Amino acid sequence: DTGVSQDPRHKITKRGQNVTFRCDPISEHNRLYWYRQTLGQGPEFLTYFQNEAQLEKSRLLSDRFSAERPKGSFSTLEIQRTEQGDSAMYLCASSPEGQRSSGGQFFGPGTRLTVL
Amino acid sequence: DQQVKQNSPSLSVQEGRISILNCDYTNSMFDYFLWYKKYPAEGPTFLISISSIKDKNEDGRFTVFLNKSAKHLSLHIVPSQPGDSAVYFCAASAGPSGNTPLVFGKGTRLSVIA
Repeated sequence: DTGVSQDPRHKITKRGQNVTFRCDPISEHNRLYWYRQTLGQGPEFLTYFQNEAQLEKSRLLSDRFSAERPKGSFSTLEIQRTEQGDSAMYLCASSPEGQRSSGGQFFGPGTRLTVL
Repeated sequence: DQQVKQNSPSLSVQEGRISILNCDYTNSMFDYFLWYKKYPAEGPTFLISISSIKDKNEDGRFTVFLNKSAKHLSLHIVPSQPGDSAVYFCAASAGPSGNTPLVFGKGTRLSVIA
């Protein structure tokens, strides 16, 4: 198992364009999380899934942000009509459900978004 | 409003000595705490965790102490090694384990000098 993977690793886009990021979690993990990290800050929680169910989405930054996990495996995070303030590192993490996750969440390498 | 605070942006320690990283939190609903290490261009890597029912957890060179009444935790690294140089994040969860949304501090950059 190669851990959590994210694609692309870097994305440069122009203001107003839509972008989509993909996350593939560790295969046996049924919880998947999205975080955003800006310079000088810690990761900030956005949303998470248990299998295909989105358990929390009120922390998504605006209605331009949406996430899916249609088959309970990989997930996508979409940002519509990007703004320069969306420039950040977008991190995905996964974990098992329940009390077994004493090891915390396993993070991918992130997708760095730059909005020009 | 920062619910998890790491008030030291950076820390320098000599190789072989003890590194102590501190973290304070304000939300009394937090029940589980974690430390992550992050190298440049990589995602955070889990280091060690502690439940609110404990006051100490040890794993090799790493020990986390929790003072629930003071809402304070600390990470001790003994002995410090140059490979420990990284940014360390304190994180907290309102759930009983690490599989619920985490609230992170801003991080402390540790430099271990050979």
